[in-house]
Amino acid sequence: EVQLLESGGGLVQPGGSLRLSCAASGFTFSTYAMYWVRQAPGQGLEYVSGINAGGRNTHYAASVKGRFTISRDNSKNTLYLQMSSLRAEDTAVYYCAKKNAGDYPFDNWGRGTLVSVSS
Amino acid sequence: EIVMTQSPATLSLSPGERATLSCRASQSISSNLAWYQQKPGQAPRLLIYDTSTRATGVPARFSGSGSGTEFTLTISSLQSEDFAVYYCQQYKNWPPLTFGGGTKVEIK
Repeated sequence: EVQLLESGGGLVQPGGSLRLSCAASGFTFSTYAMYWVRQAPGQGLEYVSGINAGGRNTHYAASVKGRFTISRDNSKNTLYLQMSSLRAEDTAVYYCAKKNAGDYPFDNWGRGTLVSVSS
Repeated sequence: EIVMTQSPATLSLSPGERATLSCRASQSISSNLAWYQQKPGQAPRLLIYDTSTRATGVPARFSGSGSGTEFTLTISSLQSEDFAVYYCQQYKNWPPLTFGGGTKVEIK
């Protein structure tokens, strides 16, 4: 069974940093691209970032480019999101998700971890 | 970036009624359209992909149709567990993979 378990969320002051992790199991992690999607309180889903299976190709939403860094450790089956220069508008539940290579949707999601940016 | 627009924002229906949810893409996405269901406090769940293919375990009362820029999710007879928020997503032109704003199906 595929499992994605996010951790690392919490309360952080504006301008601060936080690193999220997503521990994966139940599939061959090193062969899948992985993604972060967020959801602000009471709002819809927003794509944040993606990384290919090997970790060399990354992509970011315009709203986080230059502030967030996605990475992965295939030896640990773990996906990361390093967030810096955090703003109030980054407050959201952050989900990690996987999809097959190519034109496919997200087929598995984690339960999410809440990031709150507030003074 | 492809913009996805869902309507209506809220659909108030009674159990047993038929629900019809719409999703429009700002440009053609062929059939690369998925629908997700999200219940309060839970992660989204994939319901439909490739416009009309049900994901594993999804009941037959859920069906999808459309192509190009206009898509529809139909729930033939609403069950109590179907009251939730539904999102469409395109995966034709990415990154980024973009979502619609959601349609909340609530009990009337």
